[in-house]
Order: sequence, then C-alpha cells, then structure tokens
Amino acid sequence: DGGITQSPKYLFRKEGQNVTLSCEQNLNHDAMYWYRQDPGQGLRLIYYSQIVNDFQKGDIAEGYSVSREKKESFPLTVTSAQKNPTAFYLCASSSLSGTDPYFGPGTRLTVL
Amino acid sequence: DQQVKQNSPSLSVQEGRISILNCDYTNSMFDYFLWYKKYPAEGPTFLISISSIKDKNEDGRFTVFLNKSAKHLSLHIVPSQPGDSAVYFCALGGSSNTGKLIFGQGTTLQVKP
Repeated sequence: DGGITQSPKYLFRKEGQNVTLSCEQNLNHDAMYWYRQDPGQGLRLIYYSQIVNDFQKGDIAEGYSVSREKKESFPLTVTSAQKNPTAFYLCASSSLSGTDPYFGPGTRLTVL
Repeated sequence: DQQVKQNSPSLSVQEGRISILNCDYTNSMFDYFLWYKKYPAEGPTFLISISSIKDKNEDGRFTVFLNKSAKHLSLHIVPSQPGDSAVYFCALGGSSNTGKLIFGQGTTLQVKP
C-alpha cells in the first residue's frame, strides 16, 4: 500500500534540544511538504521541496531546517531557535502536476 | 493578514439535513480550491476540489461551489451523516505553486443522529 509514514506519533523533548521528525513516502511523488497545525488555526507551510537536493522556505520557516537527499524522504528538524515548537506536524507529498497533496498521519511534538 | 477565512468555528446539523461550510478569501490569484476533512490526531484527507474556471463540482453527497466575484467558496454535504463529523478545512492554491496551499482555520462539523 502506498502512503506516507511519519514517526513517531508522539514526541516529547526538553526545551533547547533539537529534534528531527521523519517523513517517508512510497507514492513516487516528486514534491514533499511540511505543515504545522496549532489549535484553532489552519495548517501553515514550513518548507517544501519539489526535487531532490532542493527545497524552499514556506510561510513559517524560521527555527526549522530540512533536507531532501532522497526522493522518498524529507526530514524536518525543529531547532532550539523555534520559539513555539509544540504543535502537530504534518508531512505531505504530491506529484509535480498534482493539486491535492496527500497527507501523512502527523507527529505531535511537545516541548517541555 | 489572513488570506483565507472560515468564519464559523463550528456547525451542528441533524442527520439527514444539509451541512453548508463556508470559506472566504482575499486574493484573486488562486487557481484551485480544495476541501479537506480531518479527524483529531490524524492527517487531513482530500475531499473535493474545484478549479477557478468552474463554479460547481459535485461528487456524491459533496458539492463545492465557487463564487469568484464574491471570493467565496462553500461545501454542501447532503444528506449529512454522523460519520461526517470532523474538522473541515478549505485550502487554496495557485497554479504556479502546485501543492503549496493556504489553509483556512477549519470548521468543526457535528452531525447529530
């Protein structure tokens, strides 16, 4: 079955620590995205990548970093510079011509 | 400055009746418009979409209407079912940024049996 895997489902970290969220897709999609959801708000784009070894900042990239070394993988690092890291993080992917990204199950990050 | 607004945080409807969810936007440059459905602690799932060249798209119980002059998008669900209870997000995209979407804040729909 094709899909997106995000692990772990729940993640806890101490303030000041960097943490990396994984995202793997086997849909053969070229484009991948990271969104963040906060209570009462819609999803906001953090970073996106349309090709291996290339990525662009979204609307709220500060305090985050990504890499795209493989087509299937797009890990997101939440750095200590991110002021409000506690949130629900969603990874998505799409074909380059697709208009409806497919979302993974999400990772809830809690920084204590 | 929010480009996309869903002004109703919640909506409660009786089973079998119509549910109407609304979305307003400010930027005329969007080319396609989507609705996603989301359950708690899960990723959103795509529901239905419409391109800017159309004003209506129907898929089973779900119909999306687009009023470009009013910059207004709506989703009609009829008849509503208890399983439709979820958070619904409208999302807007431009053809030059395929897959890069601007989301509304979401509307929580409760369908009562």
